[in-house]
Parts: sequence; C-alpha cells; structure tokens
Amino acid sequence: QQPVQSPQAVILREGEDAVINCSSSKALYSVHWYRQKHGEAPVFLMILLKGGEQKGHEKISASFNEKKQQSSLYLTASQLSYSGTYFCGVESSASKIIFGSGTRLSIRP
Amino acid sequence: GAGVSQSPSNKVTEKGKDVELRCDPISGHTALYWYRQSLGQGLEFLIYFQGNSAPDKSGLPSDRFSAERTGGSVSTLTIQRTQQEDSAVYLCASSFYSDNQPQHFGDGTRLSIL
Repeated sequence: QQPVQSPQAVILREGEDAVINCSSSKALYSVHWYRQKHGEAPVFLMILLKGGEQKGHEKISASFNEKKQQSSLYLTASQLSYSGTYFCGVESSASKIIFGSGTRLSIRP
Repeated sequence: GAGVSQSPSNKVTEKGKDVELRCDPISGHTALYWYRQSLGQGLEFLIYFQGNSAPDKSGLPSDRFSAERTGGSVSTLTIQRTQQEDSAVYLCASSFYSDNQPQHFGDGTRLSIL
C-alpha cells in the first residue's frame, strides 16, 4: 500500500537537475509532495490531481500519470536550499494519505 | 498561533510507562492525522480523524496505541506500557476537509523510551 519512491538518495552539485519518482500499486486520486529538512517538520510543496496534471513551484515541478499510477518530481538548476528529504503521499481512497519512504537529496556547492 | 501545535516537544520516559502526546490543529481544519517517524525513516501513518466520522485506526501498530479527538479539535495520542521500539518522532498534521488539501505539520514530539 505504501508508494515506492526512487531513488532512495541522490547527491547533486549545485545547478544540476534531478528527478524523483513515486509509484503506487493502487489507483490514485491525487499525489502530494512534501520536503522535510533535517530536524524540521515536512513542508507542503504541491498536490497533483487526476488527469496527467503538471504543476510548478519555483524550479520544482511535478507530473502525475494516472494510468501508470506514477508521479515524478523534477528539480531543475538545483540550489543548496533544495536539500532535504522528499516524500510523496498518495491518496487512493477515504481521503487517507500514505507516504513513501522518502528520497534524501543532498546538494553540494 | 497559526500553525499546528504539538506538546511536549520532547518526552523521555522509562519503559513500561504510559505517555500522552497532544496535538492542537489549525483552527477550522476538520481533518487530523498522526504519523510516526523513526530516525532516518519515512512517515508511518497511524490514525486519521475527519470531522465527526469514526476515525481510521488502520495504522495503529498495536492495542497499546490509542487516540482521541475531543470536540473536533485537540487530539491526544496515548501509548500504554511503552516499549523501546516506540522511540520516534510523532508528527501531527491537519488540513481542511481532506480531499486534495495540503497537510500542515506540527514540529512533532520526540519520544525516547529508556
């Protein structure tokens, strides 16, 4: 039931791009993305609804492929502030959100 | 305060003791969630409250765990006869009626069982 995130960890140099994937075995109503910095609470980034929607937030965008039950988070021209652990949360029914195990992103100067 | 408030921020207790963790959601948020996060791990769903509906308790790991939400606002997560494996950060989140709404997280309670 827990969505699968990949990769588990990624290390980038400042300015490089990254893609984080999230896949579910169940049909999805929506996908949520959050970022958590060390020692802090998760912070909401965006929600994607059914329909292959793509949304953007600064240089962070995401897509949602309802058919494949997958979502991808795209980080372009990464900045040091993007470091943290990224979680996808999937909403399949009853408005309950189940989170993946997270992708740890480290940005080096 | 405008955010989700959790107390205590830290709790250290001996194995076998009971603990109560409190969550005060954002005013007007009808949905409230509890998650557990072990060191370096993901967010493990515990329980979900939505308005006056019966809570979804499917994530509670054992019958030592229980939660209630009084008056549709403040929630208390209770762990009885604590075990060392209960050590973790317990996060609370709230949202407006939950369909497609972002969750707002509190800073969590760091629970350490000696």
